[in-house]
Order: sequence, then C-alpha cells, then structure tokens
Amino acid sequence: RKEVEQDPGPFNVPEGATVAFNCTYSNSASQSFFWYRQDCRKEPKLLMSVYSSGNEDGRFTAQLNRASQYISLLIRDSKLSDSATYLCVVTPRSSASKIIFGSGTRLSIRP
Amino acid sequence: EAQVTQNPRYLITVTGKKLTVTCSQNMNHEYMSWYRQDPGLGLRQIYYSMNVEVTDKGDVPEGYKVSRKEKRNFPLILESPSPNQTSLYFCASSSPSLGVGEQFFGPGTRLTVL
Repeated sequence: RKEVEQDPGPFNVPEGATVAFNCTYSNSASQSFFWYRQDCRKEPKLLMSVYSSGNEDGRFTAQLNRASQYISLLIRDSKLSDSATYLCVVTPRSSASKIIFGSGTRLSIRP
Repeated sequence: EAQVTQNPRYLITVTGKKLTVTCSQNMNHEYMSWYRQDPGLGLRQIYYSMNVEVTDKGDVPEGYKVSRKEKRNFPLILESPSPNQTSLYFCASSSPSLGVGEQFFGPGTRLTVL
C-alpha cells in the first residue's frame, strides 16, 4: 500500500462548480500535511497547509481527519485557472525531514 | 527575488557519462531536497539535506550522489547515468522554522539518458 494515495482523476467539472478530493495516508503518526498545486510541466507550488482544525483560504478549504487518516481539499466557485494537478504532501513524524508526495489528482475546469 | 534555480533545464546524455545538475537558492534555507517525477509515480524524494555537510537518503537514492558544501548549493550527481534515470528532476528548499513541508521548488530539469 502506498504511504499517500490520491485518486488520479481527472475530475472534469464546469466553471463555478464546487469540487472536492481526498488524500489518504497510511502512517497514523504523520505530522504535517499540505496541498500543492502543479501546472503542466511546471514546478509544484504550495497551495496551503492543512491544520487540525481545518483552514480556509478564499475559495479553498482544507480539512484533516486524523481518525480516518485523510485530508481533503474543497474548491468552491471553480475557475478555469484552477485547472491543474493537486498534490497532497505528508511529513511522517518518524522523520521530520522526510517528505512524501501523493501522485496527484488532475482537475480540469471546463467553460 | 526569492528563488530556486536549477541548471541545466534540459539535458540529453548517454549511458555512463557522468553529469551534475546544479541547484541554488537565495533564501538562506537550511533544508534542501531533490526529487524525481515520473508518470504515475508522482514525486519521489532522492536525497535531502538539513544543513551544510548534512545529507540523508530519501526513497530512491540509488544511482545518485549529492553534496552540501555551501548552504545555498545542493548539486545532484549521476556518476554513471542509465536510461531508467530519465525523468523530470526538481530541487526544493525550505526553512525548518516554517516547516520542511513548505517548500520552494526550482523550475525542474528534464533529463533523458539514451
């Protein structure tokens, strides 16, 4: 089983829709969680950290569910510019320096 | 401008010919890391460095070497490249005070080994 798993998608949704995707992790001792965004052939860029209480940044909401070992990303009022691959990232508590990326979920917003 | 730079951006080489991909950051970050990205496998960590002269293996270190002689630079060395090292490589840096998970990435190096 992969340490971090994501549905590869693609998720194809109309502009203005709300879309959500999850990321599951296998190590219950995992420490920190993040969502990154990666455009085609570009470098990943940090979208947001995921806090235990959940957090929101504009149209984006991130949640952490430690009991079920997953994090989620919700995008409201999606824009064409939201089309990208979204990567979830986990740092295991056993090694604060090791970083594990999910394979990514591809999102395509259609006009 | 705060940035991570990588060189070269594109490289085609032949099996066995030693190469170095350079990585430099101007943010005075302690933590630096190398990843490779392959279709369906996502980003996998090759090596990372917590500070000068401190390096450690990631998930896929075989066939790679790194060094960290200066804080700003973290070169990736392929002593004898093989075709299975054809990939997209990213260097990244962060500061432990922010959390190593909050990383700044370089633009990537696309390597083809024939």
